[in-house]
Amino acid sequence: EVQLVESGGGLVQPGRSLRLSCAASGFTFSDQYADWVRQAPGKGLEWVGRTRDKAHSYTTEYAASVKGRFIISRDDSKNSLYLQMNSLRTEDTAVYYCARAIKFTEVYYLVYWGQGTLVTVSS
Amino acid sequence: DIQLTQSPSFLSASVGDRVTITCRASQGISSYLAWYQQKPGKAPKFLIYDASTLQSGVPSRFSGSGSGTEFTLTISSLQPEDFATYYCQHFNNYPITFGQGTRLEIK
Repeated sequence: EVQLVESGGGLVQPGRSLRLSCAASGFTFSDQYADWVRQAPGKGLEWVGRTRDKAHSYTTEYAASVKGRFIISRDDSKNSLYLQMNSLRTEDTAVYYCARAIKFTEVYYLVYWGQGTLVTVSS
Repeated sequence: DIQLTQSPSFLSASVGDRVTITCRASQGISSYLAWYQQKPGKAPKFLIYDASTLQSGVPSRFSGSGSGTEFTLTISSLQPEDFATYYCQHFNNYPITFGQGTRLEIK
C-alpha cells in the first residue's frame, strides 16, 4: 500500500525557517518524481514544487511564490522527501501535502497524496 | 504562467442530477489536465488524467473531456459521496497550476 506521511509542521515566526519531511512507503521512491502542494486555510490548492528522480538528475521546479526561499530535496536511501522553507511569511501559512507523481503518457500526474501537515507562520 | 479558471465556483445540486464543471486555460495545454476531488479535511483524490482518462477505481459516472483551452468534468448522476470541491490542474509546462476550485453542495 502506498503511503506518504508528512511531518515537521507547526508554529513558526515570520522570517524563520522550517523543514518538512515526507516519509514514503509501499513503492520504490527512488524511481519517482515527487511534489509539494499547499492549501491556505479555506483556500484552494497551490502547487509549490517538484523534484525529479535520479535518472533526471534530481532537478527541481518551483512556483514563483516560493522560488529562492524554498528548497525541495530528497534522500532516496531513507525514502524521504523534504521541503526546506526559509524566510517564511504569514502568507505561507497552509497545510502542506507531499504527492507522488506518476507518468501517464507524456506527463507526471499527482496520483498519491499524504494527509498533510499544517504550517502556521505568525508572530 | 498558465491560468486555469473554473466555472461555476459554486454549484448546488441534488442527488441524481447531472452536473458539469468547466475549466478554461489561458493558453493551450493540449490534453495535459487532471481533475481532483477534495472533501473537507482530506487530501485531494486523483480522478481523471489526460483530460478524459478515468483513474482506476473511480466510478464511471465521472467523465472528462476537452483539449486545448476548454475542459469539462461531468458527473452523470450525483451520489451523496460526490458532494465535495473539485479542482482542475494542468501539467503542460512549469509552473503547474490549479484552478480555483468548484464547490459542489447538496441542494
